[in-house]
Amino acid sequence: EAGVAQSPRYKIIEKRQSVAFWCNPISGHATLYWYQQILGQGPKLLIQFQNNGVVDDSQLPKDRFSAERLKGVDSTLKIQPAKLEDSAVYLCASRQWTSGGPGGNEQFFGPGTRLTVL
Amino acid sequence: TQLLEQSPQFLSIQEGENLTVYCNSSSVFSSLQWYRQEPGEGPVLLVTVVTGGEVKKLKRLTFQFGDARKDSSLHITAAQTGDTGLYLCAQTFYGGSQGNLIFGKGTKLSVKP
Repeated sequence: EAGVAQSPRYKIIEKRQSVAFWCNPISGHATLYWYQQILGQGPKLLIQFQNNGVVDDSQLPKDRFSAERLKGVDSTLKIQPAKLEDSAVYLCASRQWTSGGPGGNEQFFGPGTRLTVL
Repeated sequence: TQLLEQSPQFLSIQEGENLTVYCNSSSVFSSLQWYRQEPGEGPVLLVTVVTGGEVKKLKRLTFQFGDARKDSSLHITAAQTGDTGLYLCAQTFYGGSQGNLIFGKGTKLSVKP
């Protein structure tokens, strides 16, 4: 079974430029997550999709970040304009379905895109 | 949002040594997951613990969930260089945002040959 695919793997941009990341989840996984992992910290959830709908975007900086999952499969995350503090690894994860109880389904993570903003 | 505190932040040991890393919260966990993240990769789930006092073993790794479900530990016996990585604990949230994870900052483990 193919894992979560992300591209590009690395991106270097200057501040105030725009950047987009792409994620292809595991086939059949209805739930998709984007996380931001700053160096030395654990991943922080940015947005959660269930199929093509947003479930939770409470921690997404909406003035500069946007994400979509139009057909309920692939997803893109965009930053416009980028700031120095956006330098981080952006991880995409998918999950088969959301469970209502503890010990629910496992999240599978992609390798991430490492963004450097100069 | 409750914070997860992991300790130590960094750990460097020789191959063959034993080690324990910790994950603590001021509030009760609904359930807790441990992940390992290798450089350039995403986190990979090691275990999920749900019941207070639960102990799970994964080869040389032993995971414990505190009786009060506010703390957890990961013990590695006879560490190998392949155990090198970032060990993350994560609390799972249920309810309005089902299945979401809140991660600690992690323990960066380096096992030297």
